[in-house]
Amino acid sequence: QKEVEQNSGPLSVPEGAIASLNCTYSDRGSQSFFWYRQYSGKSPELIMFIYSNGDKEDGRFTAQLNKASQYVSLLIRDSQPSDSATYLCAVASSGGSYIPTFGRGTSLIVHP
Amino acid sequence: DVKVTQSSRYLVKRTGEKVFLECVQDMDHENMFWYRQDPGLGLRLIYFSYDVKMKEKGDIPEGYSVSREKKERFSLILESASTNQTSMYLCASKPGPLHGELFFGEGSRLTVL
Repeated sequence: QKEVEQNSGPLSVPEGAIASLNCTYSDRGSQSFFWYRQYSGKSPELIMFIYSNGDKEDGRFTAQLNKASQYVSLLIRDSQPSDSATYLCAVASSGGSYIPTFGRGTSLIVHP
Repeated sequence: DVKVTQSSRYLVKRTGEKVFLECVQDMDHENMFWYRQDPGLGLRLIYFSYDVKMKEKGDIPEGYSVSREKKERFSLILESASTNQTSMYLCASKPGPLHGELFFGEGSRLTVL
C-alpha cells in the first residue's frame, strides 16, 4: 500500500512569515510529486509539481524534493491570509500508472 | 484552460435511490477519475478510466459503478444509495498515462438521507 503522510495541522503562521509544509511517502519508485491547494468548500488546484531532487521555485512557492529521504516539502514565503487553505501532497509513479496517491492534507492558517 | 464540469454541485437523495453523477471535460484527456473526499480521510479513488469504455477499480469501488461511453464524459453511479455514501465527490482528468497532474471539477456534495 503506497502511503503519503502529512501532518494534519493546523499550521498557524503570522502574515509575512515562511510557511513550511512537509510530506513523506513510502514508495521509493515515486517519480512525480505535486502540491495542491484546496480552499474550504472548493476543489483542489495544482500549485506546484516537481520531478527532480532539489528545489523548484515559482513566485512565493518553493517545492523541495529529497528522494533519498522520501521527503517533499512546500515553502510559502511572505505568507498571506489568502494562503489559508488545506495543502494536499500527491505522489505518482510509473508503477502506479502515474495515478496520484494523495496525503490527507495540512491545514494552513495565516493570521494577520 | 482545462475545464472539468460536474453536473450537480449539491444533491440530496434518499436511501435506496439510484444516483448519477456526471462529469465532462473539454480538453480531450484520456484519463478520468472519480474520488470521494471525507473529513480526516482525504481523497480516496473510487474508479478511473484510461479510455472510452475502459474502467478500473480504485481503492474503494464497493457500492459504485461507472460509465464512459464518450471520451469527454465519465459518470459515477450509485446503484442504491446509502447514508455512508454521503460525501463530496470529485471528478478529475489528466492528459494521458504519462502525466500525473490532475485537473479537478468543482465537486458534487451528495447527502443521502
